[in-house]
Amino acid sequence: SQQGEEDPQALSIQEGENATMNCSYKTSINNLQWYRQNSGRGLVHLILIRSNEREKHSGRLRVTLDTSKKSSSLLITASRAADTASYFCATRVSGGSYIPTFGRGTSLIVHP
Amino acid sequence: EPEVTQTPSHQVTQMGQEVILRCVPISNHLYFYWYRQILGQKVEFLVSFYNNEISEKSEIFDDQFSVERPDGSNFTLKIRSTKLEDSAMYFCASSDPRDSQQETQYFGPGTRLLVL
Repeated sequence: SQQGEEDPQALSIQEGENATMNCSYKTSINNLQWYRQNSGRGLVHLILIRSNEREKHSGRLRVTLDTSKKSSSLLITASRAADTASYFCATRVSGGSYIPTFGRGTSLIVHP
Repeated sequence: EPEVTQTPSHQVTQMGQEVILRCVPISNHLYFYWYRQILGQKVEFLVSFYNNEISEKSEIFDDQFSVERPDGSNFTLKIRSTKLEDSAMYFCASSDPRDSQQETQYFGPGTRLLVL
């Protein structure tokens, strides 16, 4: 897999359901971040999780990080139509550049 | 809440023309970045800028590209002679000087560039 690769590529759910998106990466990381991008708009930073952390919460968002599996998941609980967007993970490799490497994203559609 | 702004929101240009994309980072931020996203593809890093000089750049950022901070508020990306493949959404981002690891970057809404 590429550094920072999201799965699935597309996800379609009903309002109220939970949405889970996964991100896998190849090399050791310093941190991993999740961003949201509404159609044709900029990236909005959601959560940063560091390599020594396993789980973080922010409102309806829950992010986990498993460094042994080199993977992270983003869970959106009780989804709303307004959550419809693309979600990207971005990794920052250990001991390297400060520049995050983005994946291709998961396109989430939440039907009202 | 302060935010990064970018102008124009859309730009259409002819191949070979020069374009300047403008960004106003968050006022107390000192680290600045440009990224691009070709339609349907990943967000790709172009360049980072700190203390009036480029601190890092990617392979994409060739001699056709340049960045400048002409005054205390603007940060620009110039493409000297645009090519069809430069068509993309260009994002500016900035980060807080107190964030010494530059962990969190704040992105602008983007400029959609179309080269014909």
